[in-house]
Amino acid sequence: DGGITQSPKYLFRKEGQNVTLSCEQNLNHDAMYWYRQDPGQGLRLIYYSQIVNDFQKGDIAEGYSVSREKKESFPLTVTSAQKNPTAFYLCASSTTGGGYGYTFGSGTRLTVV
Amino acid sequence: GQNIDQPTEMTATEGAIVQINCTYQTSGFNGLFWYQQHAGEAPTFLSYNVLDGLEEKGRFSSFLSRSKGYSYLLLKELQMKDSASYLCAGATNKLIFGTGTLLAVQP
Repeated sequence: DGGITQSPKYLFRKEGQNVTLSCEQNLNHDAMYWYRQDPGQGLRLIYYSQIVNDFQKGDIAEGYSVSREKKESFPLTVTSAQKNPTAFYLCASSTTGGGYGYTFGSGTRLTVV
Repeated sequence: GQNIDQPTEMTATEGAIVQINCTYQTSGFNGLFWYQQHAGEAPTFLSYNVLDGLEEKGRFSSFLSRSKGYSYLLLKELQMKDSASYLCAGATNKLIFGTGTLLAVQP
């Protein structure tokens, strides 16, 4: 079955360490997105990519980095420069132009101690 | 700008009808989505309005007025399992989300 997989579901890291969150999709979607969600809040866009080897900053890109070397994969690195990294991270993918075709992963809850 | 506003919280009674409003200030949206999200889970697609008017899907309906920058989600015959957050999102070449409305359904 086609879908989008985020791993791990829960992640713990010490303050000051970089950490990479995985996002893989087998839906043949061109576009992929990373969102951050804090308790009681909506989703805020971190980075998005419309095509391989290209990506754009979203509203809260500072302290994060991404790569898009393969169509299927869009990993997100939370760097030590991100001042408040503890949050729920959601990856999504879509066909070009979006429309009905947005699919979300199940999320990764990152806790930095 | 692309501000999307929703009420933060709402409470309703089981079996009743509730309307969750969403207003936005942008001329760039291609359409408007509604998602349901239970705590700690991914959002689940409910509806997508491209044209003005009402889209009905079972107990859920969604309305869009592009000229007014206004949408609402209507939930009928509320059930306890409808207690969740409801997210409004505008579509350009990405989804821009509102802050979400936390709905509590009481017996």
